[in-house]
Amino acid sequence: DVKVTQSSRYLVKRTGEKVFLECVQDMDHENMFWYRQDPGLGLRLIYFSYDVKMKEKGDIPEGYSVSREKKERFSLILESASTNQTSMYLCASTQRGINSPLHFGNGTRLTVT
Amino acid sequence: DAKTTQPTSMDCAEGRAANLPCNHSTISGNEYVYWYRQIHSQGPQYIIHGLKNNETNEMASLIITEDRKSSTLILPHATLRDTAVYYCIVRVDYSGAGSYQLTFGKGTKLSVIP
Repeated sequence: DVKVTQSSRYLVKRTGEKVFLECVQDMDHENMFWYRQDPGLGLRLIYFSYDVKMKEKGDIPEGYSVSREKKERFSLILESASTNQTSMYLCASTQRGINSPLHFGNGTRLTVT
Repeated sequence: DAKTTQPTSMDCAEGRAANLPCNHSTISGNEYVYWYRQIHSQGPQYIIHGLKNNETNEMASLIITEDRKSSTLILPHATLRDTAVYYCIVRVDYSGAGSYQLTFGKGTKLSVIP
């Protein structure tokens, strides 16, 4: 069965901290994504990657970076966390090609105080 | 990429069919229609997708109009566990590497009522 695992379900961090959100998929998918979800705004794409060491900016990349050193792992980094980055973060993956569905993890709810 | 329009909310009686509409009038020829749902506090769950033909799986049916400008997701016998936000999205291949971008709208909040 398809599995996308996010390392933490809940995180509380302080302003200015460096934060790492980890995502692992076990389906050998080429494409991986990071979204954030906020009430009234829906899901917004932060970054995606279509291969190891490759990354592309999404709609709202400011304040974030990503790392993809291995095919199965895609990390989202908040270099200096701010309160406006308090959100639900969702990781997803899919096979290459336009006929493959996206599979999501269960999310990490991050609170920055 | 093509944008979608969905009603903000809908109610459905338990055991009845739930029909969720979606307009995607600017869809282009290579864009698939995907449906996902999100139950509170969980990640979105894939339901079904299609290009031109109607599709059916164990969860739902997808009816796409001939001009492809709209579609309807049908849950044949809605249960209380189907209460969720349902997203209709279209997808386009942005590069030869197969990378693409999905844009999620605000979806339809479906409430299944006992």
